[in-house]
Amino acid sequence: QKEVEQNSGPLSVPEGAIASLNCTYSDRGSQSFFWYRQYSGKSPELIMFIYSNGDKEDGRFTAQLNKASQYVSLLIRDSQPSDSATYLCAGGWGGSEKLVFGKGTKLTVNP
Amino acid sequence: ETGVTQSPTHLIKTRGQQVTLRCSSQSGHNTVSWYQQALGQGPQFIFQYYREEENGRGNFPPRFSGLQFPNYSSELNVNALELDDSALYLCASSPDIGGGETQYFGPGTRLLVL
Repeated sequence: QKEVEQNSGPLSVPEGAIASLNCTYSDRGSQSFFWYRQYSGKSPELIMFIYSNGDKEDGRFTAQLNKASQYVSLLIRDSQPSDSATYLCAGGWGGSEKLVFGKGTKLTVNP
Repeated sequence: ETGVTQSPTHLIKTRGQQVTLRCSSQSGHNTVSWYQQALGQGPQFIFQYYREEENGRGNFPPRFSGLQFPNYSSELNVNALELDDSALYLCASSPDIGGGETQYFGPGTRLLVL
């Protein structure tokens, strides 16, 4: 059973703080992991993907993957109110487009 | 904009009816995947089509079926609608298999089954 679990949240941080979002997965067979942002009433938008162990940075976002611990995380530095959204973690099994998503963590950044 | 469009945006049906949802991918995107997102949940993979052939299916019954056409459009058909089918239906397209980082979601169709 391929499952992705996320912190249930919601998570609330002040503007300018670091937001930390976490996710674990059940099956070591996945080779690809994705973080999507979904604003209320909108479709998911890809913000980070990571395939190798370690850290990957893109602007204010850092994705971390630890395959031994089956753990994926997303750090958002200098959080802005516009980062307020639901963040979805997903793993790709049998192809990186066939995604298994977690339930999402709702992040609120307070001005 | 992702270049992926879906129609209709909203739809209301009654239990037992049939529905067809449509997706138009970017030109050159040979792969389309469909997802169901219930309220408060993450999207669930329904199936994927690659060059008009089904290429993988999630844990959905056969009353969920699909088609992909040569003009980069595709359809999701659901027969014998149930109340639990109420959800946001998302299609996502990518140029080829194995291109998850280039997969883009459409805006979705919100289906309500009464």
